[in-house]
Amino acid sequence: AQKITQTQPGMFVQEKEAVTLDCTYDTSDPSYGLFWYKQPSSGEMIFLIYQGSYDQQNATEGRYSLNFQKARKSANLVISASQLGDSAMYFCAMRGILIIQGAQKLVFGQGTRLTINP
Amino acid sequence: NAGVTQTPKFRVLKTGQSMTLLCAQDMNHEYMYWYRQDPGMGLRLIHYSVGEGTTAKGEVPDGYNVSRLKKQNFLLGLESAAPSQTSVYFCASRSDRGIYNEQFFGPGTRLTVL
Repeated sequence: AQKITQTQPGMFVQEKEAVTLDCTYDTSDPSYGLFWYKQPSSGEMIFLIYQGSYDQQNATEGRYSLNFQKARKSANLVISASQLGDSAMYFCAMRGILIIQGAQKLVFGQGTRLTINP
Repeated sequence: NAGVTQTPKFRVLKTGQSMTLLCAQDMNHEYMYWYRQDPGMGLRLIHYSVGEGTTAKGEVPDGYNVSRLKKQNFLLGLESAAPSQTSVYFCASRSDRGIYNEQFFGPGTRLTVL
C-alpha cells in the first residue's frame, strides 16, 4: 500500500528564513510522482511543485524546491526566503498505481501547518 | 476560464436528508475526482471518473453516489446524510496532456450534518 507521512503537524518560522517541510513516502511501485500542494486559510488547494520518480534533478519552481532523496524515500519541500503569505497548510501527495483507464490516485499526507512570523 | 467550480460552498443538513454537490470544470479534462478532507487527515478519495458516463469507487465510497452525465460535470450525492459525513468536500479534475498531470482543485464545499 502507498503511504505518505508528514511528521510536522505545525512549524513556526521567522519571515525571510528558509523552511523545510518533511515528507516521507512508502511505495513498491517503481514509477510514481510526488506533489506538494498549499492550502491557505481560504481553503483552496494550490499546486506548488512536482517530482517524478525517474527525474534526475530536484524540481524547482521559483522559491520552492523539492529535496528528493529516493533511497531514503523522502521528498522534502524547501521554501527559500519565506514570506507572510506562505502561512498555510502544506500537503505532500503521491501519485502512484494506475487504477483503470489512466486514472491516477493521489495519496495525501496529513499536512503541516506553517506559520510565518513577522 | 473559471477552472473547477463547486456548488454550494456551504450546507447544513439534518441526519437522513439527501443532497447533491455539483462540480463543474471548463478545461475539457477527462478525469474528475471527489475527495473529503477531515481534521488532522489529508484528502481521501471518495469516487472518481475517467470520462463521461464512467465512474468508479475510491477508498471511502460508502454512503455516496456519483454521476457523470456530461464531461464537464461530476455530481456527488448523499442519499441519507449521517453526522460522519460532516467534512469539507473537494472536487478535482485532471488532463493527461499536462506537463505534470497535476490535479486542479475546486474551492471546496463545507458540509455539516446535524
